[in-house]
Amino acid sequence: GDSVTQTEGQVALSEEDFLTIHCNYSASGYPALFWYVQYPGEGPQFLFRASRDKEKGSSRGFEATYDKGTTSFHLRKASVQESDSAVYYCALASSYGSSGNKLIFGIGTLLSVKP
Amino acid sequence: EAGVTQSPRYAVLQEGQAVSFWCDPISGHDTLYWYQQPRDQGPQLLVYFRDEAVIDNSQLPSDRFSAVRPKGTNSTLKIQSAKQGDTATYLCASSLPPGTQNTLYFGAGTRLSVL
Repeated sequence: GDSVTQTEGQVALSEEDFLTIHCNYSASGYPALFWYVQYPGEGPQFLFRASRDKEKGSSRGFEATYDKGTTSFHLRKASVQESDSAVYYCALASSYGSSGNKLIFGIGTLLSVKP
Repeated sequence: EAGVTQSPRYAVLQEGQAVSFWCDPISGHDTLYWYQQPRDQGPQLLVYFRDEAVIDNSQLPSDRFSAVRPKGTNSTLKIQSAKQGDTATYLCASSLPPGTQNTLYFGAGTRLSVL
């Protein structure tokens, strides 16, 4: 079945470091790809999405580019802040635009940023 | 605009007890989802509705779990006889109809502990 793989379980950085969180997917066709962020005690919050090859999604300084050739949607940020500390989830929607839009999530990556 | 509202925020049970979770989606969102999020894992879909109809409940343990959305608005998820393995956060999400860039918006969740 469709799946999402996040290779980093935890990432520890200092403020102003460059961030990369890797996300690869397995699905047929052109699934929509998403990044969500979850803070302690809250539900996942939508960060951004992309639905076509080479499309770039971005929000709050984070960005990712849909790459069908490498089946990837890696999250990047040029300069992280302590307030970016959270769990980041990559997700795909395998039935986008049909009778529903169920999201399949990766396991998540815990980002810790030291001041 | 009010977000997705869930109650209660926390529940603690003994094995064999029953519990219900309630969800009020964002107004105008016709699709509603229930996800289970075990500790340190990504959300996993249990069931989702389009209006009052169940679209996919294939991951819902039907012997003990049930979910309804009788008027196509609020929804209730019930666990009939809880087990320790049900310990998790239960997240409700809602989205607009398909074809309208239907991002999922999540509530804060109900954290369930089964002793």
